[in-house]
Amino acid sequence: QKEVEQDPGPLSVPEGAIVSLNCTYSNSAFQYFMWYRQYSRKGPELLMYTYSSGNKEDGRFTAQVDKSSKYISLFIRDSQPSDSATYLCAMSAGGGADGLTFGKGTHLIIQP
Amino acid sequence: GAGVSQSPRYKVAKRGQDVALRCDPISGHVSLFWYQQALGQGPEFLTYFQNEAQLDKSGLPSDRFFAERPEGSVSTLKIQRTQQEDSAVYLCASSLEGRGGFVYEQYFGPGTRLTVT
Repeated sequence: QKEVEQDPGPLSVPEGAIVSLNCTYSNSAFQYFMWYRQYSRKGPELLMYTYSSGNKEDGRFTAQVDKSSKYISLFIRDSQPSDSATYLCAMSAGGGADGLTFGKGTHLIIQP
Repeated sequence: GAGVSQSPRYKVAKRGQDVALRCDPISGHVSLFWYQQALGQGPEFLTYFQNEAQLDKSGLPSDRFFAERPEGSVSTLKIQRTQQEDSAVYLCASSLEGRGGFVYEQYFGPGTRLTVT
């Protein structure tokens, strides 16, 4: 069993829908949780970052962490075709100078 | 300013050849990471540098993989005697601070796609 599990999809939703993406993990030492977006043939770019449990909102994006269940989520409101990409969850026990453990990524398609 | 750059963007190697992949991090960034991303998978951590010191090489899959950052800026990942299972995208990332700092964001380059035939 991998340390971080993520459904690879594809997940296809109509434009304007609310998208829910999630990951589960097994390592209770993870404290830092991130969501990256990766377009085809590009490097990942950081969308959201959360330390420990709780919620964080940034524009149309909301990240949630439930450490008791070892479950993290990313919600995208008012989804746009430009949101079509692969979304990777990532986590680490230390801060930014630790190597990240990534999920497999979920391929998201927003239909116009 | 300029982001993380990597070269070459694409590399085809015959099995058994040696390859060298270059990473130019964002100027002034202390931390540098290498990751390997196989097709349809998330990136997997290979190694970490803080300035010129290689502090973590726990993810390097075999002794055929070697990385260096001699002057604390540009880094090279070298793979000796390439095998087909080495085919992947190799991503470099840099971060402003080192261990003990509070900056968490890792900025990724576009990657080098290595195909071993």
